[in-house]
Amino acid sequence: AQSVTQLDSQVPVFEEAPVELRCNYSSSVSVYLFWYVQYPNQGLQLLLKYLSGSTLVKGINGFEAEFNKSQTSFHLRKPSVHISDTAEYFCAVRPILTGGGNKLTFGTGTQLKVEL
Amino acid sequence: EPEVTQTPSHQVTQMGQEVILRCVPISNHLYFYWYRQILGQKVEFLVSFYNNEISEKSEIFDDQFSVERPDGSNFTLKIRSTKLEDSAMYFCASNREGNQPQHFGDGTRLSIL
Repeated sequence: AQSVTQLDSQVPVFEEAPVELRCNYSSSVSVYLFWYVQYPNQGLQLLLKYLSGSTLVKGINGFEAEFNKSQTSFHLRKPSVHISDTAEYFCAVRPILTGGGNKLTFGTGTQLKVEL
Repeated sequence: EPEVTQTPSHQVTQMGQEVILRCVPISNHLYFYWYRQILGQKVEFLVSFYNNEISEKSEIFDDQFSVERPDGSNFTLKIRSTKLEDSAMYFCASNREGNQPQHFGDGTRLSIL
């Protein structure tokens, strides 16, 4: 089984400041990792994914995340946020193994609020 | 870019009534999923569907729930006799291959009175 922990339920930040949203996971098997963003009254949109290769992955809207296997973390970062980045961010994992199922296991989400 | 579409956006139903939530996955996708998000809680997996059968389901997906792909485009979630605790946002998702990222719809907010 997998579990995902997002310790910060809310992160307030001023516009143009950097931000890091934390994600840690637990799994008995190797996993793929994802960050999704949910804007108000909308569905989940894929921000970025780590499947294999370079541990630093870049996504849409200037976001990036770094996979750290030893710390079982996949923190999301952006060097300079914009008001339009205000949204809920979800970290998710799914097992790599065939037969491990395709279901995503989500964290509880982090509400990023960008202020002027 | 193709999208997953869900209807209705908001459904209000009396407790004990049946409800059907509808989804149109992306046209060339083969794997389909339902998730739900109770207000203030995490997004939870309900069921996955491939090749016209359920491939995986969670403990939430009990006998009150069923899924169907009645034609080549729709994917539905039926709740037979709704309970207050079924109130949630329900998301449909799809992907072409099981190991590719899932594409989500905007969700249906289900309110049980």
